[in-house]
Amino acid sequence: SAVISQKPSRDICQRGTSLTIQCQVDSQVTMMFWYRQQPGQSLTLIATANQGSEATYESGFVIDKFPISRPNLTFSTLTVSNMSPEDSSIYLCSVAGSRYEQYFGPGTRLTVT
Amino acid sequence: ELKVEQNPLFLSMQEGKNYTIYCNYSTTSDRLYWYRQDPGKSLESLFVLLSNGAVKQEGRLMASLDTKARLSTLHITAAVHDLSATYFCAVETSGSRLTFGEGTQLTVNP
Repeated sequence: SAVISQKPSRDICQRGTSLTIQCQVDSQVTMMFWYRQQPGQSLTLIATANQGSEATYESGFVIDKFPISRPNLTFSTLTVSNMSPEDSSIYLCSVAGSRYEQYFGPGTRLTVT
Repeated sequence: ELKVEQNPLFLSMQEGKNYTIYCNYSTTSDRLYWYRQDPGKSLESLFVLLSNGAVKQEGRLMASLDTKARLSTLHITAAVHDLSATYFCAVETSGSRLTFGEGTQLTVNP
């Protein structure tokens, strides 16, 4: 199984600022994803982080708000831009493993005041 | 648009009892995942079901998949307090993307 770490684990940010979340995997993986879990809710896919090309965003999510980088096969970042209180959520990265498994990082708990 | 529905959303049960959580989905998929989430924690992978008729068991949990009925079940046998958590099913679509159900919050009472 893949071991995934995220930084920061939590943060409190002011409205209008941006936060970049890092996701590091202990092995090379082809597929990396970013999910959002709003308080008391299920998980929603934000985008697929593609190595060497632009991320693929799901309906309702746009690059200007959630820019994503994927410089190599073990690392990705998600930026939450121009934050508002509605962005308060847990942000999780996940990877697809080699045997039809999908693993999730520990998450970044973001509170926007 | 793929819809994934779980029921019940809230389940309170006594230790020692059996119960089943249902996961219905609206489009064809051959791959379904079950995860557990404890409060304030990330997701723990429980099962991945890869084909019609797949059945997997781990301890007191057993999951099955019927792709023709677009239904998966998570059966809990002789529940214990440690099973209290939120359980999510997730359906995989193209590009290994997951669509999650709403989650079932399970409380097992002594």
